[in-house]
Amino acid sequence: DIQMTQSPSSLSASTGDRVTITCRASQSISSFLNWYQQRPGKAPKILIYAASSLQSGVPSRFSGSGSGTDFTLTISDLQPEDSATYYCQQTYRTPTFGQGTKLEIK
Amino acid sequence: QVQLQESGPGLVKPSQTLSLTCTVSGGSISSGSHCWSWIRQPAGKGLEWIGRICTSGGTNYSPSLESRVTISLDTSKSQFSLKLSSVTAADTAVYFCARMNYGSGSSDYWGQGTLVTVSS
Repeated sequence: DIQMTQSPSSLSASTGDRVTITCRASQSISSFLNWYQQRPGKAPKILIYAASSLQSGVPSRFSGSGSGTDFTLTISDLQPEDSATYYCQQTYRTPTFGQGTKLEIK
Repeated sequence: QVQLQESGPGLVKPSQTLSLTCTVSGGSISSGSHCWSWIRQPAGKGLEWIGRICTSGGTNYSPSLESRVTISLDTSKSQFSLKLSSVTAADTAVYFCARMNYGSGSSDYWGQGTLVTVSS
């Protein structure tokens, strides 16, 4: 299995801030990296696919970058509705998810 | 708008087989551009990918579950199904079905999830 490690596990930020979440793969996965947002009690929602492509309908405040083993999700101009848990997922081999990053908006 | 809906028993006894169905509406389950997957999430924990089936009939399972999992496709009913055998309490989770895009592997449409509890 390809292991995906996210950091931090949790973070707190204020409305209007910019935050970055990182995801590291245990081996190179090219750009086969997706980011999801999950609010409590809801299904995950795709934000970014193929490392840096913004899913249709997702605000441009969300952006992704990286290739190989190191990836980042950046959220600019944080909004209250961004409070959620964020997961990375590799689809280079049998898919696996990171452990999640819980984002709290102060 | 594509919609997915999970259905099946909410309670399964230990050692028995968990069976769930996902019904797809608003789009063709036979699209060659997509595969269909199952993901689960124990309460308060992260997401675990279970497996997928593509319209070619090809399947791919998580190595940790492969010996107990079968995913099948019924295009006539626009459904795909999950069977997980020999369940234990560790299989208690919310189970999601989702559509996977063939190229990126990203899942763009998800069901709302269904809680399955394994208990006697």
